[in-house]
Amino acid sequence: GAVVSQHPSRVICKSGTSVKIECRSLDFQATTMFWYRQFPKQSLMLMATSNEGSKATYEQGVEKDKFLINHASLTLSTLTVTSAHPEDSSFYICSARRGTGNTEAFFGQGTRLTVV
Amino acid sequence: QKEVEQDPGPLSVPEGAIVSLNCTYSNSAFQYFMWYRQYSRKGPELLMYTYSSGNKEDGRFTAQVDKSSKYISLFIRDSQPSDSATYLCAMSGGAQKLVFGQGTRLTINP
Repeated sequence: GAVVSQHPSRVICKSGTSVKIECRSLDFQATTMFWYRQFPKQSLMLMATSNEGSKATYEQGVEKDKFLINHASLTLSTLTVTSAHPEDSSFYICSARRGTGNTEAFFGQGTRLTVV
Repeated sequence: QKEVEQDPGPLSVPEGAIVSLNCTYSNSAFQYFMWYRQYSRKGPELLMYTYSSGNKEDGRFTAQVDKSSKYISLFIRDSQPSDSATYLCAMSGGAQKLVFGQGTRLTINP
């Protein structure tokens, strides 16, 4: 299968600071990447769809000014959690589909964010 | 009603048993179906990817899709303790974004 690398795997930050999470497709090009949030023992909640070279599409209820997404190239998307608060503590996971269309979706390892 | 329904379990079976996991869905536009395995605190790992109806086998895993019944299944043969994880079904149609089931927590007892 294809490889999606997510970094960092864990991060602890102080309340009010910003945190950037990177998602890279290592051996394929991904026109579209997805960002999810997952709470303990729950399924994945889609936050936004990231499109290379254009603005991200956010799901209803997700604050786009708080969760900044940049998809600068066909292999890299970043999620920045701005002015983080303890309630933003969660497991964030990215996903990428190979090429265009409804191909297989591969996931990164996830980032556990703790805001103190 | 959720677009994708999946029994969250937990499901516990003895080692060597055949495991059957399934999902139902309501959106007839779904044509692409995936099963993922997720270990605790890790990202989901793609196990099976199928398009439209039919069966697909890969080692101990078999995926079945019945579009007429809007029902998909994943079978695990000769289950091992290392198969203990949460299994997520996911599907998509015209749009690229995936719709996930709730996930089934599976434990294989030695």
